[in-house]
Amino acid sequence: GAGVSQSPRYKVTKRGQDVALRCDPISGHVSLYWYRQALGQGPEFLTYFNYEAQQDKSGLPNDRFSAERPEGSISTLTIQRTEQRDSAMYRCASSLGSMGVGTDTQYFGPGTRLTVL
Amino acid sequence: KNQVEQSPQSLIILEGKNCTLQCNYTVSPFSNLRWYKQDTGRGPVSLTIMTFSENTKSNGRYTATLDADTKQSSLHITASQLSDSASYICVVRGLTGGGNKLTFGTGTQLKVEL
Repeated sequence: GAGVSQSPRYKVTKRGQDVALRCDPISGHVSLYWYRQALGQGPEFLTYFNYEAQQDKSGLPNDRFSAERPEGSISTLTIQRTEQRDSAMYRCASSLGSMGVGTDTQYFGPGTRLTVL
Repeated sequence: KNQVEQSPQSLIILEGKNCTLQCNYTVSPFSNLRWYKQDTGRGPVSLTIMTFSENTKSNGRYTATLDADTKQSSLHITASQLSDSASYICVVRGLTGGGNKLTFGTGTQLKVEL
């Protein structure tokens, strides 16, 4: 299929290590979004990109979290010096339209389950 | 405090029965409201989307309503099926953050039983 893909699907790491989570959006989709979802909770917005430009990073919890989308396609969410509270499902979504297209549908990937020991 | 509150937190109904899920929000200014269905272990899938000028929107057995004045929305499921068992999440798009900041509710966990 040509949906949103994420890798790895599962990541177990030790506290203090850095991790990089990858998102491959649907081909041609302009906007890409990162969310974090704790067990039993709805997704929490982290950041989003319009092409390669990071438009809103207000949801990033602290400066250990960063994201990039250098060529306007694949994106990487990096968490430095991981802590146990970072354990969650990290989901990526993409949409066809760009900023301002308020009704554009977001298509979600399967997520990366991060566990920090 | 979450700007999108959903109720009930969980619900169990018998197959074939109807149910209504509630969503109250304080996000302002408001662009649109969407209901998602999320099966366990899967990503959310959009069911309906409404702008402030729309009062009701249907998608098969799902009917969403919106009252932008009271900032309330509901999702009504008719003749429930076992496959309706999932988490239903209300998502509000605000007009800040470049028009693309979404606020998610915590969801209603629905279980449909025989």
